[in-house]
Amino acid sequence: QSVLTQPPSASETPGQRVTISCSGGNSNIGNNYVYWYQQFPGTAPKLLIYRDNQRPSGVPDRFSGSKSGTSASLAISGLRSDDEADYYCATWDDSHIGPVFGGGTKLTVL
Amino acid sequence: QLHLQESGPGLVKPSETLSLTCIVSGDSISSSTHYWGWIRQPPGKGLEWIGSIYYVRTTYYSPSLKSRVTMSIDTSNGHFSLNLRSVTAADTAVYYCVRHVIYEGGSYYLRDLPRIDHWSQGMLVTVSS
Repeated sequence: QSVLTQPPSASETPGQRVTISCSGGNSNIGNNYVYWYQQFPGTAPKLLIYRDNQRPSGVPDRFSGSKSGTSASLAISGLRSDDEADYYCATWDDSHIGPVFGGGTKLTVL
Repeated sequence: QLHLQESGPGLVKPSETLSLTCIVSGDSISSSTHYWGWIRQPPGKGLEWIGSIYYVRTTYYSPSLKSRVTMSIDTSNGHFSLNLRSVTAADTAVYYCVRHVIYEGGSYYLRDLPRIDHWSQGMLVTVSS
């Protein structure tokens, strides 16, 4: 059971916008930054968003992050077939004294 | 360009110790702006943080694994290691070694540990007799 809760799956059609949620509590999301990762099958995850809404160099601005209270969201606009992947949220947990991950959301581009 | 390469046995017997080493090339393992860590992913499941280590040997471990985990770092030879004792089938996973970024805008911030900018390719370790 993950500390952070994500929907197991999400789907949308190409060109549309999809959001993936990540729910936590006061000891994690409510008091710390949120990070998002993209993972394709058989490969290592890649950082998409750090510190709630910052994009590393090279990440398209179609990807955006937001946070409100103890929940965060990853939005992907102009959806493409190659966005089909697993997406994970992560944050620091004050009780855990370390990083925690969400269970992941499998995005299907219909 | 930073490269992380893990090495170790791909098969470990139950109750024994899983030992992995991550060789760091292309950047200094003694960087003050980074931690080094291990993340694992059981087949078909999500990511789990195992632990992280700083070049001065400060360590942080996952509470659920803390009693069985030891990490070390060799700054002279550019590698860091993971030992996980008393393994069971539940420890079967792809193990990644990673670099965490803890420095931003002139400040160090340990709570940025979830920020991982480099991952190894991953190594499947199976626990089975």
